[in-house]
Amino acid sequence: DTEVTQTPKHLVMGMTNKKSLKCEQHMGHRAMYWYKQKAKKPPELMFVYSYEKLSINESVPSRFSPECPNSSLLNLHLHALQPEDSALYLCASSQGAAQETQCFGPGTRLLVL
Amino acid sequence: AQKITQTQPGMFVQEKEAVTLDCTYDTSGPSYGLFWYKQPSSGEMIFLIYQGSYDQQNATEGRYSLNFQKARKSANLVISASQLGDSAMYFCAMREGWNNAGNMLTFGGGTRLMVKP
Repeated sequence: DTEVTQTPKHLVMGMTNKKSLKCEQHMGHRAMYWYKQKAKKPPELMFVYSYEKLSINESVPSRFSPECPNSSLLNLHLHALQPEDSALYLCASSQGAAQETQCFGPGTRLLVL
Repeated sequence: AQKITQTQPGMFVQEKEAVTLDCTYDTSGPSYGLFWYKQPSSGEMIFLIYQGSYDQQNATEGRYSLNFQKARKSANLVISASQLGDSAMYFCAMREGWNNAGNMLTFGGGTRLMVKP
């Protein structure tokens, strides 16, 4: 199994809703990442988990809350989002080797109304 | 300052012809890695090719090759024999250094490639 899966593919939520994005990989990768990508822009790193511990938080607002329940799963909990948070949210994982190729999932397209 | 610069926002290429996508980078460290990813309209980032700063030879993967000029700090992607399915956004990215806490990739602004039949 050489892929990263993400659910849901699309999500529409109101500003008062609470929702979660899910990411899963079964490649034995030890690092997992969340990126945010606005239209026509490159991905921007949000969080990095290494060995199930949060290792990098790129000053992301607290309305985004990551969670890594185990080495295969990564969640992003969303609460009280703003319309400007509408974007494609990409999950990635990497093995921890020097080459450090990150494998990306298909992303979740989020629309905040 | 931009660490990764892609100067071509959009490009056209005729099917079956070769095309070069430009990428320049800025780093002061000796150890880094350069990546190219393809992003179709579906959104998924597809890894294409990798070049390490210590690699002596230019990387190649099928129709993709990386023209690595270290002194000029450029890592251009060459796609040979373009196909209609190559139409997508292409991102150059750099990893600086290495640590076990996970690594940050810095992406360039991207180049949208359109292949004409």
